[in-house]
Amino acid sequence: NAGVTQTPKFRVLKTGQSMTLLCAQDMNHEYMYWYRQDPGMGLRLIHYSVGEGTTAKGEVPDGYNVSRLKKQNFLLGLESAAPSQTSVYFCASRGQANTEAFFGQGTRLTVV
Amino acid sequence: SQQGEEDPQALSIQEGENATMNCSYKTSINNLQWYRQNSGRGLVHLILIRSNEREKHSGRLRVTLDTSKKSSSLLITASRAADTASYFCATDARSNDYKLSFGAGTTVTVRA
Repeated sequence: NAGVTQTPKFRVLKTGQSMTLLCAQDMNHEYMYWYRQDPGMGLRLIHYSVGEGTTAKGEVPDGYNVSRLKKQNFLLGLESAAPSQTSVYFCASRGQANTEAFFGQGTRLTVV
Repeated sequence: SQQGEEDPQALSIQEGENATMNCSYKTSINNLQWYRQNSGRGLVHLILIRSNEREKHSGRLRVTLDTSKKSSSLLITASRAADTASYFCATDARSNDYKLSFGAGTTVTVRA
């Protein structure tokens, strides 16, 4: 099994450009999460989903949108990128609440 | 704000010594989890302790949970160079919609 796969691994955007980060899991998990990690701040939750067709806001949702049209995929979109969105983005999934989460390898995004 | 906060922020120890780090949280939880992150990689689950458990072991790892003090500790015994990583606690609460909230982490350096 591939587990959790994030695409792309690296990206450089210009301010104002848009992009979509893809998270794919092959474990038939219900729960999926998008986090950002900045130096000294740990992981902050952007958006999450508790099942296909559902999404909800986390701690830092502004400037991001998400979609979960298929159970295995969770997309994170940046409509108009800003330098403040320079970060490392991690996707995670888990089968159900109260269980361990599995993480992707991360996407390093730089907005210039 | 993040639910879990780790202490200390950084820890440097000699190989063979024990490493202890603490996590404090703010609201009631269903379980608390510990994760490890090697530099530039995704997080890997280490251990999960449920709110009705007080102590749990896994290999060289020992986790305690004190729900009355809203705190947990992670002990790594007989540390090795390969234990050099950042360690994060994450809280899981039904009242928080099972968002899996992370702290800022403890960076552990094991000197050979």
